[in-house]
Amino acid sequence: EDKVVQSPLSLVVHEGDTVTLNCSYEVTNFRSLLWYKQEKKAPTFLFMLTSSGIEKKSGRLSSILDKKELFSILNITATQTGDSAVYLCAGFSGTYKYIFGTGTRLKVLA
Amino acid sequence: DVKVTQSSRYLVKRTGEKVFLECVQDMDHENMFWYRQDPGLGLRLIYFSYDVKMKEKGDIPEGYSVSREKKERFSLILESASTNQTSMYLCASRMGQLNTEAFFGQGTRLTVV
Repeated sequence: EDKVVQSPLSLVVHEGDTVTLNCSYEVTNFRSLLWYKQEKKAPTFLFMLTSSGIEKKSGRLSSILDKKELFSILNITATQTGDSAVYLCAGFSGTYKYIFGTGTRLKVLA
Repeated sequence: DVKVTQSSRYLVKRTGEKVFLECVQDMDHENMFWYRQDPGLGLRLIYFSYDVKMKEKGDIPEGYSVSREKKERFSLILESASTNQTSMYLCASRMGQLNTEAFFGQGTRLTVV
C-alpha cells in the first residue's frame, strides 16, 4: 500500500531558527515528490523533486530528494512568523495519484 | 495564474440531503481530483478524473459520486449526506503530463447535522 509519512507532526520554534521537516515515502511507480504549504486555505505549491541529490531552492526554503533511501527533507532557514503553516508532502505515482502525508504543523513564535 | 474555484467556502446540510460540491478550473487541465482533509488523516483521495467523462475511484469513494461533463468542471456528489462526511473538501487540477504539480481550490468546509 502506498504511504507517505511526515515527521515531526508538529514543531514550535522561534523566529530566526532553522527547521528541517522530514518526509519518507513508499509509492508505487514513483514519479515525483511534492511539497505544499497550507495556511487556513488551499495548499500552495512549493517544490517538486524528481531527481536524487539535486537541491531545489526558493529564498529561505530548500528541499532535496533521496530516491535510494526514499525520503525528502524541507529546510527553512531564518524562520519568520509568516512561515507558520502546515507543510504537506506528497508522492506522485505512475497511476496519476498524489499520496499525501498527514503534514507537519509548524508554529514560529515572534 | 491557475485558478481553481470551489462553489462554496462553507456549507451546512442535513443528514440524508443530496449535496453537490462544484469545482471549476480555468487552465484547460486534463486531470481533476477531489480530496477530503481530516485532522490526523491528511488528504485522502475520493475520486479523480483523467479527462472529460472519465473517472476513477480513489481510496475512499464510498458514499460519493462524481460528474465531469465538461473539461473545466468536476462535481462531487454526496447522494445522502451523513455526519461522518463532515469534513474539509479540496478540489485540485493539473495538466495531464507527468511531473506537474496540482493546483488546489480554497476548500469547502461541509458540516452535516
